[in-house]
Amino acid sequence: GDSVTQMEGPVTLSEEAFLTINCTYTATGYPSLFWYVQYPGEGLQLLLKATKADDKGSNKGFEATYRKETTSFHLEKGSVQVSDSAVYFCALRGGKSTFGDGTTLTVKP
Amino acid sequence: NAGVTQTPKFQVLKTGQSMTLQCAQDMNHEYMSWYRQDPGMGLRLIHYSVGAGITDQGEVPNGYNVSRSTTEDFPLRLLSAAPSQTSVYFCASSYGPRDEQYFGPGTRLTVT
Repeated sequence: GDSVTQMEGPVTLSEEAFLTINCTYTATGYPSLFWYVQYPGEGLQLLLKATKADDKGSNKGFEATYRKETTSFHLEKGSVQVSDSAVYFCALRGGKSTFGDGTTLTVKP
Repeated sequence: NAGVTQTPKFQVLKTGQSMTLQCAQDMNHEYMSWYRQDPGMGLRLIHYSVGAGITDQGEVPNGYNVSRSTTEDFPLRLLSAAPSQTSVYFCASSYGPRDEQYFGPGTRLTVT
């Protein structure tokens, strides 16, 4: 079946540091790929998405590129802020949904 | 637009009790899903629906029932609560099977 493997956390960075959270997937067919963010006590919110190979999703300074050849969708941000502290989930949809286990990011001032 | 709403926000049950978690959306989405979130395990799909009258099982369906009589509502029933069902439950909806999902705020359930 489909699966998503996310970089294990937690991740702690200083403000303005570069962020990478790795995500690789296994799927049949051509799923859509997503990054969601969850703040404490809230539901998940869409951060960005890509629907086909080589698509780049971007939002609020975050980026991820759908890489079919390496089955990856790594999340990057050039300069993180304290307000980016949250849990980040990589997910795919090709019918049913599959989520990674989440990566907790803490950004310190 | 209220988006996806869930009630209650918190619930404590005793083992063996039954209850229904409510979920509603006002975006006219065909696809709706129920997930449970446990520490370190991401989200696991319980049941989902591709339209009114159509439901199917997800990864962890045992102990839960669903029905979809309208496009808007997708309740989740716990038949006989067990401590293993202590979790945070999220409802989500989307236009189609490959589209982004919109999540409700969650229900935190504790079974003692």
